[in-house]
Parts: sequence; structure tokens; C-alpha cells
Amino acid sequence: GQQVMQIPQYQHVQEGEDFTTYCNSSTTLSNIQWYKQRPGGHPVFLIQLVKSGEVKKQKRLTFQFGEAKKNSSLHITATQTTDVGTYFCAGHSNYQLIWGAGTKLIIKP
Amino acid sequence: DGGITQSPKYLFRKEGQNVTLSCEQNLNHDAMYWYRQDPGQGLRLIYYSQIVNDFQKGDIAEGYSVSREKKESFPLTVTSAQKNPTAFYLCASSTQGARYGYTFGSGTRLTVV
Repeated sequence: GQQVMQIPQYQHVQEGEDFTTYCNSSTTLSNIQWYKQRPGGHPVFLIQLVKSGEVKKQKRLTFQFGEAKKNSSLHITATQTTDVGTYFCAGHSNYQLIWGAGTKLIIKP
Repeated sequence: DGGITQSPKYLFRKEGQNVTLSCEQNLNHDAMYWYRQDPGQGLRLIYYSQIVNDFQKGDIAEGYSVSREKKESFPLTVTSAQKNPTAFYLCASSTQGARYGYTFGSGTRLTVV
């Protein structure tokens, strides 16, 4: 079936370092959405990318959608403690939203 | 303030019991969804509904049932047939096509005792 693979599963960073998570779909997506889930919380919608090669920025967060509309990435510059949580991608294909397994951002003490 | 409300926040179920999780939204969204999340895992779709009085099974519907009698409400019943129901249950809603993403409730943590 249709799958969206998301890597890595975990990423440990020092505060101030960068963080990146990648999603790769087995099929072409009509769009891709990104969500953040804080520990103990629920997913919160961050952004949707629709166009091939699209790049969008939200402050320190940069979202990219691949040219073939099969992959996407989220990059956080200079992580802060408020960035802690799990980041999910979710791709739209054939009217279904297919979720990645998430990447957990952990700030090293 | 528009939003989506799930209740209860925590629920304890005895073996063999059916329990119903409530989900209500006042966002005027047509579509509603139920997901299950296990510790450290992603989201798995249980059921979804695109319109009142209609709903479809997701990837893990066995042992669960839903109804959609009103646009605002999409309750989920976890039946005794669900063998491993301990999990975090999330309800979400969206406009048709989910152009603005899904809005999630704060979830219900169900534990079998």
C-alpha cells in the first residue's frame, strides 16, 4: 500500500544546533502537511506544501517539497527548548492522508 | 472560540466492557476522523466520516464502532472485541480536502485495568 517513510526516528541535538527530518513517499503526493506534537499533547498543524519544489519558511523552520512531489523535509535552525516534540509529515494521495511515523526532537541536557 | 473537544481525558476500562469516547467540534467541518496512537508510534486511522450519516473504516477498524448522526459529533465506541485497547485516542476534523490541515482534539488516554 501507499507509504510515507520518515527518518530519523529520533534526533538528539544540543540546544542551538540544527535539526532536519525527511519524508519519502512511495507515490506522488498532491500535497504534504507538517504537524508538531509536544510531549503529552496532540498534533498541531504547521503548514501545507502543494507545489513542486515549493519552499516555505516559518521563522527558524524551513519546509521543502521535492520536485517530483514524492519527498519533503523540515529543517529547524538553531533549535530551542520550545522546539522539543515529535514532527510528523502527512501526504495527501488519492484523497487519503498518509502519515509518516514521526521524528522526535530531543534536546541534550 | 472554535475547536474540537474530546472527553474524557482519561478513561479506565475493565476487561469485557464497551466504552464510548466523545468528540465534538464547532468548526463547521464536514470531515471527522479517529486515530489511535501507541507510545512512541505514529497515528493509525480507525474510522473517518466525510458527511453526516456516512463513515468508512480506516486501517485498524476491527473492535471499534462509530456513528455520525450530527455534523458536530463523531463518538467512538471501543468494544470488548478490541483485544489491546490501551492507547491514546485522537479525534480530528477538517474541511473537505483538508486544505487547512486537520484540527485535533486533546485526546483520550484509555487504559484497560
